[in-house]
Amino acid sequence: DAGITQSPRHKVTETGTPVTLRCHQTENHRYMYWYRQDPGHGLRLIHYSYGVKDTDKGEVSDGYSVSRSKTEDFLLTLESATSSQTSVYFCAISGVAGASEQYFGPGTRLTVT
Amino acid sequence: GENVEQHPSTLSVQEGDSAVIKCTYSDSASNYFPWYKQELGKGPQLIIDIRSNVGEKKDQRIAVTLNKTAKHFSLHITETQPEDSAVYFCAASLDTGNQFYFGTGTSLTVIP
Repeated sequence: DAGITQSPRHKVTETGTPVTLRCHQTENHRYMYWYRQDPGHGLRLIHYSYGVKDTDKGEVSDGYSVSRSKTEDFLLTLESATSSQTSVYFCAISGVAGASEQYFGPGTRLTVT
Repeated sequence: GENVEQHPSTLSVQEGDSAVIKCTYSDSASNYFPWYKQELGKGPQLIIDIRSNVGEKKDQRIAVTLNKTAKHFSLHITETQPEDSAVYFCAASLDTGNQFYFGTGTSLTVIP
């Protein structure tokens, strides 16, 4: 998985609780991404980062926030989890911007009850 | 924004036969088209990609074709093997953006 780890790999949480997912890379890539994967929707971009402390919204950013204080770490936070955020979350990295290869982590399965 | 449609959603083939998965896109400015393979419980893995200045690209048993005029691209797997069984995703992207737009996936089963 191209030097990408995600933690936790599985999490069950209750509606209304905050949740933080972590993505860690050892490739020193500048660009990092958070996607969610749901049946019938493929993968959809939540947020991405183009450098330390530089982030932007993706297609489905409502209810999510991100932070990147170091090149190697990209955090995704659900401030108050809802059942609609039950999904599998993938982190991806890329060395260059735009139309170039993205490499994905192993994923985090999140269940909000 | 870009809309990527992928067909079929499921595909079963006999071992040794060929498999074809097709995708269409809506934004004529899209110029990068990767294909990912996802095995159960794992993240998507890039298997081949093509840029809009190329019509076809091959890598051993895998090939991708692109028709810019019709705005569609296809993945071709020849001499399929059981280990090719997985979910395959197509995607489209623009040089100027950081967003990939993914298709909804094709579950390929290769029957031994």
